[in-house]
Amino acid sequence: AQSVTQLDSQVPVFEEAPVELRCNYSSSVSVYLFWYVQYPNQGLQLLLKYLSGSTLVKGINGFEAEFNKSQTSFHLRKPSVHISDTAEYFCAVSGWNSGGSNYKLTFGKGTLLTVNP
Amino acid sequence: SAVISQKPSRDICQRGTSLTIQCQVDSQVTMMFWYRQQPGQSLTLIATANQGSEATYESGFVIDKFPISRPNLTFSTLTVSNMSPEDSSIYLCSGGTGVYGYTFGSGTRLTVV
Repeated sequence: AQSVTQLDSQVPVFEEAPVELRCNYSSSVSVYLFWYVQYPNQGLQLLLKYLSGSTLVKGINGFEAEFNKSQTSFHLRKPSVHISDTAEYFCAVSGWNSGGSNYKLTFGKGTLLTVNP
Repeated sequence: SAVISQKPSRDICQRGTSLTIQCQVDSQVTMMFWYRQQPGQSLTLIATANQGSEATYESGFVIDKFPISRPNLTFSTLTVSNMSPEDSSIYLCSGGTGVYGYTFGSGTRLTVV
């Protein structure tokens, strides 16, 4: 079974400051890792994903994440945030559904990033 | 990646009634899933919608309460049956073609009164 822990439920930052949203996972098998963003009253949008290869993954809107197998982490970073980055961010790991027939995503509890002027 | 249209976007329903939520994908996708997101919470998988066969439900969710249909590779419905206020939540569908991440619909915000 897989699980995801997002260590911070809320992260307030000032505009143009750097930010890191932390994510740790546990899994007994090889994993695929994802970050999604949810703006208010909207569905989820994929920011980036790690499947294999380079441990530094670049996504949309200037975000990047680094896969660290030894620390079982997949932290999300952005060097300079904007007001428009204010949203809920979810880390997710893929795994098998109950029937063992299909991949599903297991989500962390989310981190609310609030960017203040 | 696929684009998913989900409707209705929101509804207010009387307890004891049922609501059917629809998701239409603009391309064929291998897998579709239904999630529930309670206020201020993360997403919980309800079931995997299997094309041409019965859905696979996660622990704590049953077919009588959440019947799912998936008649083809681009469409699925979730019905929330015999609703109670505890069913008030956001319901999201998701679809994709494997392990490469999934696209989500914009969600259905359900309030049961």
